[in-house]
Amino acid sequence: DIQMTQSPSSVSASVGDKVTITCRASQGISSWLAWYQQKPGKAPKLLIYAASILQSGVPSRFSGSGSGTEFTLTISGLQPEDFATYYCQQGNSFLITFGQGTRLEIK
Amino acid sequence: EVQLVESGGGLVKPGGSLRLSCAASGFTFSSYDMNWVRQAPGKGLEWVSSISSTGSYIYYADSVTGRFTISRDNAKNSLYLQMNSLRAEDTAVYYCARDGSSGWPSFDFWGQGTLVTVSS
Repeated sequence: DIQMTQSPSSVSASVGDKVTITCRASQGISSWLAWYQQKPGKAPKLLIYAASILQSGVPSRFSGSGSGTEFTLTISGLQPEDFATYYCQQGNSFLITFGQGTRLEIK
Repeated sequence: EVQLVESGGGLVKPGGSLRLSCAASGFTFSSYDMNWVRQAPGKGLEWVSSISSTGSYIYYADSVTGRFTISRDNAKNSLYLQMNSLRAEDTAVYYCARDGSSGWPSFDFWGQGTLVTVSS
């Protein structure tokens, strides 16, 4: 199976800050990567697919980049509603795997 | 409006069985691959199983292979997960999720989840 490793596991930031979360794959996955946001007690929400394509309705302060084994999710100008847990997910293999999650907390 | 509504969760003893259902509406169900994803309490997301739009292709995570069976009824706009030989580590919220309409392997709509608790 392809292992996905996110860093950091948690990060503290303030409203207005820029935050970057990294996701590394144990083998190359081209651009078969998606990012999700999850708030407590809620289902995950798709933010980005194909590593860098913003899902419809997602604010432009979210952006994704990378290919191969290293990917990043960047949130520019944090808003109060962005404090949540973020997950990456690879779709290169039929055996889909998620990263362990990154918790974004208010400083 | 796309809606996915799971049902069938509950408390079951180790070794027992449970069948989850997911009722879909607001889109052409028969055109989309569908998935089950679970989340143990306080833990991350774990993909469980996928089924193609016609049911011809099915995949399972290693952790559930041989115990869980995914199926669908396109006439009823419904997705199912039959879970047998349940273990304590299967305790989780189970979500059904639709494959993204973009064609890229991602999940663009999710249900609210149904909780499965395996305990004696």
